[in-house]
Amino acid sequence: EAQVTQNPRYLITVTGKKLTVTCSQNMNHEYMSWYRQDPGLGLRQIYYSMNVEVTDKGDVPEGYKVSRKEKRNFPLILESPSPNQTSLYFCASSLTSAGGHPDEQFFGPGTRLTVL
Amino acid sequence: DAKTTQPNSMESNEEEPVHLPCNHSTISGTDYIHWYRQLPSQGPEYVIHGLTSNVNNRMASLAIAEDRKSSTLILHRATLRDAAVYYCILRDGRDDKIIFGKGTRLHILP
Repeated sequence: EAQVTQNPRYLITVTGKKLTVTCSQNMNHEYMSWYRQDPGLGLRQIYYSMNVEVTDKGDVPEGYKVSRKEKRNFPLILESPSPNQTSLYFCASSLTSAGGHPDEQFFGPGTRLTVL
Repeated sequence: DAKTTQPNSMESNEEEPVHLPCNHSTISGTDYIHWYRQLPSQGPEYVIHGLTSNVNNRMASLAIAEDRKSSTLILHRATLRDAAVYYCILRDGRDDKIIFGKGTRLHILP
C-alpha cells in the first residue's frame, strides 16, 4: 500500500532532550516536506527536500534540522526541544519537484509532540 | 511567495452543493491552484488542482476565474463526511516552498 509513515505517533519529552521524528515513503517520491500545525495558525512548512541531499527552509525552520540521505526517508531532528515546539507534525511527499508539474502531496498520519 | 485568502468558516446543508471561494490576486503564470482538505484527527488529503481550465474529478470540481485571481471549489452534493478544513494553496513548479494558510472550516448541517 502506498503510504507515508511517521514514527512515533505520540511523544512526550522534556526541554533540551534531543529527539528525531522519522518519516518514510514507499512511492519513490522526489519531494518531501515537514509541516507543523498549531491551533489558529493552520499548517506551516518547516523544511522541504526536492531530492536526495537537497533540503531547504520553509516558513518556520528555526529549532529544526532535517536530512535526506536516502530518497525514502526524511527525518525531522529537534536538537534541543523547547515548549514552543509542542505541536502536531505532518510529513508529506509528492512525485515531482522544481521544474515539473507540482503533483498532489500525500500526508502521513501525524506526530503529536509535547515538550514539557 | 504568492498567498491565498479564504473565509474562516462556512456552513452548508447536507445534500446541497457547496461553493468554497479562494482569492489569489498575486498568482503568477506558473502557479498551480491546489485544494486539500483535512478531516478531523487526520492528515490533509488532496482534493483537486488546476492551472487555467476548470477541472472535475470524483471528489469535486474546480472553477478558475478567467483572470486566475480567484477560484472556487465545488462539492456537488455535500455529505456529513465532507465536514473538514479546506485549504487552497498555490504551487509553483519552480519553487517548492508551500504556504497553506488557515483554510476554511466547512460545517455540514444535517
